[in-house]
Amino acid sequence: DGGITQSPKYLFRKEGQNVTLSCEQNLNHDAMYWYRQDPGQGLRLIYYSQIVNDFQKGDIAEGYSVSREKKESFPLTVTSAQKNPTAFYLCASSVNRGNTEAFFGQGTRLTVV
Amino acid sequence: SQKIEQNSEALNIQEGKTATLTCNYTNYSPAYLQWYRQDPGRGPVFLLLIRENEKEKRKERLKVTFDTTLKQSLFHITASQPADSATYLCALDLTGGGNKLTFGTGTQLKVEL
Repeated sequence: DGGITQSPKYLFRKEGQNVTLSCEQNLNHDAMYWYRQDPGQGLRLIYYSQIVNDFQKGDIAEGYSVSREKKESFPLTVTSAQKNPTAFYLCASSVNRGNTEAFFGQGTRLTVV
Repeated sequence: SQKIEQNSEALNIQEGKTATLTCNYTNYSPAYLQWYRQDPGRGPVFLLLIRENEKEKRKERLKVTFDTTLKQSLFHITASQPADSATYLCALDLTGGGNKLTFGTGTQLKVEL
């Protein structure tokens, strides 16, 4: 089945540690995105990539890093510099045109303990 | 600054009635606007896309309108059912580049028996 897979579904991190969230898609999409969602809030864009080996900062990139070494994969690292990392993280992909829909993964809920 | 506004108050309606949700945006005139459905703890699912030259678009019980003069989109669900209860998000690209998809905060809809 074609789709976009995020792992793990739940993740716990100690303060001061970096953690990497996985996002893989087999839809042959060029564009991939990372969003953060806080309770009762909308989605805020962290980073996005329109093509392999290239990515751009979104609205809240501070404390996060990404890589796009393969078309299928767009991992997000939450660094210790992110002051409030507890949130629901969503990865998405789309065809690299502006008039097509985004396909989302099921999300990773990150909790800092 | 550019932003997208959706009614943050939950909308409660009776089964069988038509639900109408509003999405307003400022400053920019997007080429298209998208609507998504999000269930608790899950990623958003694409519903409809409407382009700037389309006044109205329908899909089964869903209807979307797009008024570029008012900078507003309306999302209607006719003959609503309890299964339609979810949060509905509008999204558009505020940059003109076509890939920086920005979401509103969403409106929670609850359809009661």
